[in-house]
Amino acid sequence: GAGVSQSPSNKVTEKGKDVELRCDPISGHTALYWYRQSLGQGLEFLIYFQGNSAPDKSGLPSDRFSAERTGGSVSTLTIQRTQQEDSAVYLCASSLDGRSNQPQHFGDGTRLSIL
Amino acid sequence: SQKIEQNSEALNIQEGKTATLTCNYTNYSPAYLQWYRQDPGRGPVFLLLIRENEKEKRKERLKVTFDTTLKQSLFHITASQPADSATYLCALVTAGANNLFFGTGTRLTVIP
Repeated sequence: GAGVSQSPSNKVTEKGKDVELRCDPISGHTALYWYRQSLGQGLEFLIYFQGNSAPDKSGLPSDRFSAERTGGSVSTLTIQRTQQEDSAVYLCASSLDGRSNQPQHFGDGTRLSIL
Repeated sequence: SQKIEQNSEALNIQEGKTATLTCNYTNYSPAYLQWYRQDPGRGPVFLLLIRENEKEKRKERLKVTFDTTLKQSLFHITASQPADSATYLCALVTAGANNLFFGTGTRLTVIP
């Protein structure tokens, strides 16, 4: 597609359930990022994938968070045993090859609400 | 501790005036600084990028300055229009890092 696509756009779930969020990056982009945006907070980096390299997981807040990127394209962010503090907008971005001088192209996010 | 602060949470200006937004950072050594625009319910959209050794960058009605001594970037929108109303985010990239570090944003409202 023309841009980064994320699904679902909204997700409401009960505390303790697992959720999966999907990101489809721009075709041909080898770098993929996940960020989290909470009310009143800036975007917070979660994880970075670049080609076939091991992902940079340094931003994941706990071991309940994990992500995969299959075939160098689509990525899934999984949150296990969700907590209320996980409520946020989860944004995915891609860039051409991950170099520092490149813009990142963002999807419109998944708004996650934990009841 | 590391901080990226944008001058105010909200800024209101009259249509036709120049909007100036400020981004100050502490304890970062950015290689690049980027500015993004974010509309409600949407993801950020890239506007401009400036390197650490560049003083100024322009694109149409937009201008960005970068002062590594003051640890500050200024973002200007000249001849502002109501359609410029949005939240503007500054973001840093440090050498060797993979991700952007974002400020919390300034919500700009241009009043007709």
